[in-house]
Amino acid sequence: GAGVSQSPSNKVTEKGKDVELRCDPISGHTALYWYRQSLGQGLEFLIYFQGNSAPDKSGLPSDRFSAERTGGSVSTLTIQRTQQEDSAVYLCASSRLAIYHGELFFGEGSRLTVL
Amino acid sequence: AQSVTQLDSHVSVSEGTPVLLRCNYSSSYSPSLFWYVQHPNKGLQLLLKYTSAATLVKGINGFEAEFKKSETSFHLTKPSAHMSDAAEYFCVVSDKSNDYKLSFGAGTTVTVRA
Repeated sequence: GAGVSQSPSNKVTEKGKDVELRCDPISGHTALYWYRQSLGQGLEFLIYFQGNSAPDKSGLPSDRFSAERTGGSVSTLTIQRTQQEDSAVYLCASSRLAIYHGELFFGEGSRLTVL
Repeated sequence: AQSVTQLDSHVSVSEGTPVLLRCNYSSSYSPSLFWYVQHPNKGLQLLLKYTSAATLVKGINGFEAEFKKSETSFHLTKPSAHMSDAAEYFCVVSDKSNDYKLSFGAGTTVTVRA
């Protein structure tokens, strides 16, 4: 596709359930990021994939959060045993170059509401 | 380490008047600096970027920003606000001290009065 695609756009779940959020980056982009945007706050880095290198998971807030990227393309962010504080918009972004020189292209986000 | 401070959480302007969004950064190395805009329920879009070339950077939609190393600032301006400029704006810094990860400011919400 022309841009970064995320699904679902909205997800309402019950506390304790697992959720999966999907990101389909722009074709040819080797770098992929997940960010979390909570109401009234800036973007919080979660995880970074770059090509075949080991991902930088330093931003994941707990071991309930995990992410994978299959075949260097599509990525899935999984949240296990969701809590109300996980409610946020989860943004995915991709980049063709090292971000120092390039720009990130963002998807429209997946809005997660945990009841 | 790198960080960004956006000095205003909200800015309100009248249509046709100038817009100024202030951003100060901290970086141990020569930084790359970006401004992104986020319209309601949309992803972020790059407005402009500075990567050690010209200090006055022009972006889309009539926005520009000036990199001032002595003041560690990267303020965003537009001479004449339009209703469509109502959005949230993020100042962002990246440098090699943090493996090129981005640090986002908390954002500035711009409202435009008719």
